[in-house]
Amino acid sequence: DAGVIQSPRHEVTEMGQEVTLRCKPISGHNSLFWYRQTMMRGLELLIYFNNNVPIDDSGMPEDRFSAKMPNASFSTLKIQPSEPRDSAVYFCASTVGGWGYTFGSGTRLTVV
Amino acid sequence: SQQGEEDPQALSIQEGENATMNCSYKTSINNLQWYRQNSGRGLVHLILIRSNEREKHSGRLRVTLDTSKKSSSLLITASRAADTASYFCATAYILTGGGNKLTFGTGTQLKVEL
Repeated sequence: DAGVIQSPRHEVTEMGQEVTLRCKPISGHNSLFWYRQTMMRGLELLIYFNNNVPIDDSGMPEDRFSAKMPNASFSTLKIQPSEPRDSAVYFCASTVGGWGYTFGSGTRLTVV
Repeated sequence: SQQGEEDPQALSIQEGENATMNCSYKTSINNLQWYRQNSGRGLVHLILIRSNEREKHSGRLRVTLDTSKKSSSLLITASRAADTASYFCATAYILTGGGNKLTFGTGTQLKVEL
């Protein structure tokens, strides 16, 4: 089992550009979560999918952020346009039944 | 917003000593989980305790839960230098749309010195 796979590991982009982060959850897990981690705000839940359906997106900071899960094995988090304050580590996690989440290694995003 | 607050924010101990971290939360929960994060890495699930449980053990880890006080503690016994990491508590509650929502605390940075 390769675990939760995120890509890219690092992304440096210029302000105003579109950024797409990708996540492949563990096969068989029916819940997927996107988190953002910064020193100032800690770990923030952005959006949560259950059986590919967005359940709670109250943590998505602005309309510039959008997330999709077209199928059980793939999800994207898109930021358009990106801003320097979006710089953070973005984690994807998956679980089945909520009994312990498996996190990916994260994508470190730097917007300059 | 953060559901949990952890105490202390940072802890430095000698190898072989026990480390205790505390977590307080605000709302009713379904379960509480502890995670570890090494610098620059993702989070790793350590242990889960259900709301109807009071204590749980896993290897050198001992977790307690007091739902009346809305608090939990994580004890690591006989610490090792390899235990150096950040430790987070996370509270889970059931969403109307199904599944659990997991909200993380602020974390405790543990440093175990040789």
